[in-house]
Amino acid sequence: DTGVSQDPRHKITKRGQNVTFRCDPISEHNRLYWYRQTLGQGPEFLTYFQNEAQLEKSRLLSDRFSAERPKGSFSTLEIQRTEQGDSAMYLCASSLAGPFGTNEQFFGPGTRLTVL
Amino acid sequence: DQQVKQNSPSLSVQEGRISILNCDYTNSMFDYFLWYKKYPAEGPTFLISISSIKDKNEDGRFTVFLNKSAKHLSLHIVPSQPGDSAVYFCAATTGKLIFGQGTTLQVKP
Repeated sequence: DTGVSQDPRHKITKRGQNVTFRCDPISEHNRLYWYRQTLGQGPEFLTYFQNEAQLEKSRLLSDRFSAERPKGSFSTLEIQRTEQGDSAMYLCASSLAGPFGTNEQFFGPGTRLTVL
Repeated sequence: DQQVKQNSPSLSVQEGRISILNCDYTNSMFDYFLWYKKYPAEGPTFLISISSIKDKNEDGRFTVFLNKSAKHLSLHIVPSQPGDSAVYFCAATTGKLIFGQGTTLQVKP
C-alpha cells in the first residue's frame, strides 16, 4: 500500500493523559500536513512540514500540542494533558511541492481520538 | 471567519440525474480549489481540482466550474450513481487547505 497511513486508527484516553499519533506519508512526498475534524465540520488545518522543517502552525495548535518530522519522513503529533475538547478525528495528508509537484493533498484514514 | 462555505448541508438526487454541489469563498488570494469526497470513518479522497486561471475542469463524470467574479465554484456529477453518496468537501488553498463544512449527497436508486 503506497498511500498515507496513520497509527493508531482509534485511541481512547482519560482526560489528563498524553497521546501520540504517527503518520507515514507517501514516500516521495516532501510536504506533510496535520488537520483536525470534528463532527459536522470540515477538516481544520493544524500544522505542516516541508521535509523536516515545520513551516506553519495554526492558532488552533495550543502549547499542549507538538508535532515533529525528525527525518523528513514520518511525523508524530503529541497531545499533552488531553482535554475532552480534544476529541476529534486527526487527519494527516501529504503532497509533493516543487516544479514537478501538484497542489493535491492525499489523506490518510485518520486517528479517531476520544477523551473520557 | 469562514473563508470557504458550503451552504447546503445536504442534497438528495435520483440516480442518473445531475448532482450540483456549490461552494463560495471570500479570499481572492486562493489560487487553487479542490473537491474531496469522504465516507464515514475514512479520510477525504481527492476528486478533482481547478486552478484559479481556469473556469472549468472535467474528469469523467465530474466537472468543476469556477466563477472568480462571484467567488463561487460548483461540482457537477453526471450521471449520479448510488456509490456517489458521501460527504463532499470543497477546499481552497494558497498552501494549506481551507475546507468548507461539507455537503452530504444522497443518490437514490
